[in-house]
Amino acid sequence: DQQVKQNSPSLSVQEGRISILNCDYTNSMFDYFLWYKKYPAEGPTFLISISSIKDKNEDGRFTVFLNKSAKHLSLHIVPSQPGDSAVYFCAARGNFGNEKLTFGTGTRLTIIP
Amino acid sequence: ETGVTQSPTHLIKTRGQQVTLRCSSQSGHNTVSWYQQALGQGPQFIFQYYREEENGRGNFPPRFSGLQFPNYSSELNVNALELDDSALYLCASSPDGGYAGYTFGSGTRLTVV
Repeated sequence: DQQVKQNSPSLSVQEGRISILNCDYTNSMFDYFLWYKKYPAEGPTFLISISSIKDKNEDGRFTVFLNKSAKHLSLHIVPSQPGDSAVYFCAARGNFGNEKLTFGTGTRLTIIP
Repeated sequence: ETGVTQSPTHLIKTRGQQVTLRCSSQSGHNTVSWYQQALGQGPQFIFQYYREEENGRGNFPPRFSGLQFPNYSSELNVNALELDDSALYLCASSPDGGYAGYTFGSGTRLTVV
């Protein structure tokens, strides 16, 4: 049972344009959502997160939007840069006492110069 | 000491053998989690330790076991290796049970032949 889904395995975006990565979840008990970025031969690196009580969180070029009614979140990167090319994982976490991360399968983002 | 260090980086084992993977966390990181990432998948939660006690476990059989030590290091042990155990094993640590986010190591690539 895949509780966190990233339905797009890959995405190509022109440099300077907006990249939008999507994630859906099924478990309404998740209370915190995170995005991780992963380069080959490296571990996942934390990018940005959002609490379930918010609908938007912004950090520089990165913005995460949460739509709780649709159980959907998205990561916007603007403007996209070549260094953003990586695999992006959406992850969700339960509340206190259940802090394990449940990951999606990832989206490979390629920024075209 | 900063960052999370895992050893070895690569390992080849024969089916039926036992393996121990090691992780060295940042000082003060009382929580350590282990994840298995199969090819083309997102990381899957194996188990979590807090102050040397297991406090969460995913859907992995008992032949997956772990230890956490007072010096912020930890081990993942896998007995009776199976071909499907071939994966990237990631260690992640946090100072507070995960609420400040997890720092991941670069992983150990295990191949079972």
